[in-house]
Amino acid sequence: SQELEQSPQSLIVQEGKNLTINCTSSKTLYGLYWYKQKYGEGLIFLMMLQKGGEEKSHEKITAKLDEKKQQSSLHITASQPSHAGIYLCGADRRDDKIIFGKGTRLHILP
Amino acid sequence: DTGVSQDPRHKITKRGQNVTFRCDPISEHNRLYWYRQTLGQGPEFLTYFQNEAQLEKSRLLSDRFSAERPKGSFSTLEIQRTEQGDSAMYLCASSTTVSGRSVETQYFGPGTRLLVL
Repeated sequence: SQELEQSPQSLIVQEGKNLTINCTSSKTLYGLYWYKQKYGEGLIFLMMLQKGGEEKSHEKITAKLDEKKQQSSLHITASQPSHAGIYLCGADRRDDKIIFGKGTRLHILP
Repeated sequence: DTGVSQDPRHKITKRGQNVTFRCDPISEHNRLYWYRQTLGQGPEFLTYFQNEAQLEKSRLLSDRFSAERPKGSFSTLEIQRTEQGDSAMYLCASSTTVSGRSVETQYFGPGTRLLVL
């Protein structure tokens, strides 16, 4: 869906470096999900943000939702090989399904 | 493990054959969703159930596709007369609802990868 734009499309970082992935919506979000997907596997839930300005952290991953609830960022601190995969943001528009972006492919160089 | 399970994990079939996939949701979840994901894309919504009722179907779901959840537990997705364009990962997810609104996140299964030759 083009309703959600993720950037960058792919990212290669050296192990130990920080990185940020962005997700922009053309419409105000009721909620914003972040999932991680290993190649060829299912989606693993990371975090959900609902309130403008909300920020959540899990281990070395932090996600934020802006005040207008149209942009979210996912930040990884001190990246590790286990962080490699596809990161997907998904929009909850109050219609019971998730609209996903195309994903950001993250590669970690040892 | 009480997560969402899908079977089979992989399916290779010839064009024109019928295939059926199964999804077992997390046991206490009353909502079950089907998504399809093609290479390089995010998952796209196909259909969802609340208990045994199919509440919404995407326009992506042609008349060759049918989904059921007869007892409100597991679900099946059948594709009749498969086409090469049906090749994709088929993902199932489940969630719970409170007062008719989904308030818990959707938890996904490992997916069924379909290849139509």
